[in-house]
Amino acid sequence: NAGVTQTPKFQVLKTGQSMTLQCAQDMNHEYMSWYRQDPGMGLRLIHYSVGAGITDQGEVPNGYNVSRSTTEDFPLRLLSAAPSQTSVYFCASSPSGETQYFGPGTRLLVL
Amino acid sequence: AQSVTQLGSHVSVSEGALVLLRCNYSSSVPPYLFWYVQYPNQGLQLLLKYTSAATLVKGINGFEAEFKKSETSFHLTKPSAHMSDAAEYFCAVSAGQAGTAPIFGKGTTLSVSS
Repeated sequence: NAGVTQTPKFQVLKTGQSMTLQCAQDMNHEYMSWYRQDPGMGLRLIHYSVGAGITDQGEVPNGYNVSRSTTEDFPLRLLSAAPSQTSVYFCASSPSGETQYFGPGTRLLVL
Repeated sequence: AQSVTQLGSHVSVSEGALVLLRCNYSSSVPPYLFWYVQYPNQGLQLLLKYTSAATLVKGINGFEAEFKKSETSFHLTKPSAHMSDAAEYFCAVSAGQAGTAPIFGKGTTLSVSS
């Protein structure tokens, strides 16, 4: 099992550009989530999904879109990148909404 | 709604000393509580979890935590710190029901000196 994989590992964007952060899991978990980690702020929930076709907003959803067409994949889209979206992004999956299994993260720098 | 407060953004201890990392939670329903650890440039991994069974929970690497409903606390302890325990620690709470994702605290950085 590869577990939770995230691509890319590092990305630099210019303000206004769009991009998609990829997340995939091979554990057949129903639950998947996206968090962002910023210094002194901990992890903040962006969006989450309880199964294919079902998504919901977390604490900080503005500027991000998600969709869940398959159990395995949960991409996060930045529609128009802003410097405030500079962060480390973690994807996580869970079989039941309890224990989260985290990916290695994507570091995003928006100039 | 759920929330978590971690008291102390930075805790420093000597090797061999007691480790105590504090976490208080707020939840409108019986909570599930978690402690995760993050080593530099890595993702988070689960240390231990409370899901309404025994109130004293033992985790990996000698850590344990006690759920105290009256104090709404879930503090993390380890009797004797090791240099390898230096990391960032996160407390998290979920509603323990389908359809929710955990909410995390702001984290506590643990430093261990020799």
